[in-house]
Amino acid sequence: GDSVTQMEGPVTLSEEAFLTINCTYTATGYPSLFWYVQYPGEGLQLLLKATKADDKGSNKGFEATYRKETTSFHLEKGSVQVSDSAVYFCALSFTGNQFYFGTGTSLTVIP
Amino acid sequence: GAVVSQHPSRVICKSGTSVKIECRSLDFQATTMFWYRQFPKQSLMLMATSNEGSKATYEQGVEKDKFLINHASLTLSTLTVTSAHPEDSSFYICSAINPGTLDYNEQFFGPGTRLTVL
Repeated sequence: GDSVTQMEGPVTLSEEAFLTINCTYTATGYPSLFWYVQYPGEGLQLLLKATKADDKGSNKGFEATYRKETTSFHLEKGSVQVSDSAVYFCALSFTGNQFYFGTGTSLTVIP
Repeated sequence: GAVVSQHPSRVICKSGTSVKIECRSLDFQATTMFWYRQFPKQSLMLMATSNEGSKATYEQGVEKDKFLINHASLTLSTLTVTSAHPEDSSFYICSAINPGTLDYNEQFFGPGTRLTVL
């Protein structure tokens, strides 16, 4: 079945460090891919998305490229800030109705 | 645009009582809304899909008689946890699709409701 696997956390980085959170997917077709961010006590916010292969989603310094050949959508940021501390979820969807979420990766950035 | 709200943000209730959670699309009409449940340090689990004017579609393993969903208008869906028990304590999140956008793949999430059953 369709699913998303993302690296387990928690991840702890120093401010200005480089961030990578791995995400791979299994799907029978060509889904849209998403990264959502959840700050403590809040709901999910869309961080970025890509709807087809080789698309790059980007927002707030975060980037992820839809790689069909490796079925991956890894999240990267060149220099993290304390305010980036949150839980990050990778997800896929075909029609927008059924979303498949990864288990989430907790990121803590220390000053 | 595309803001989804939930009310209440937190609720504490006694075991055996019922709790209603509201999900509203503030600036768009949502024909379809979704209800998720999130356990501590875990991912979101889709509970049901709520369609305006029709019965909700529940995911396997979700008790429809315990989690009553009503989508009576294009901007409001409600989730009622009936006869709540401590194991129902969780973070409940709703989301909605904005059919007015060009990207029909995106879901807009509410801020969540923390339910604690004593």
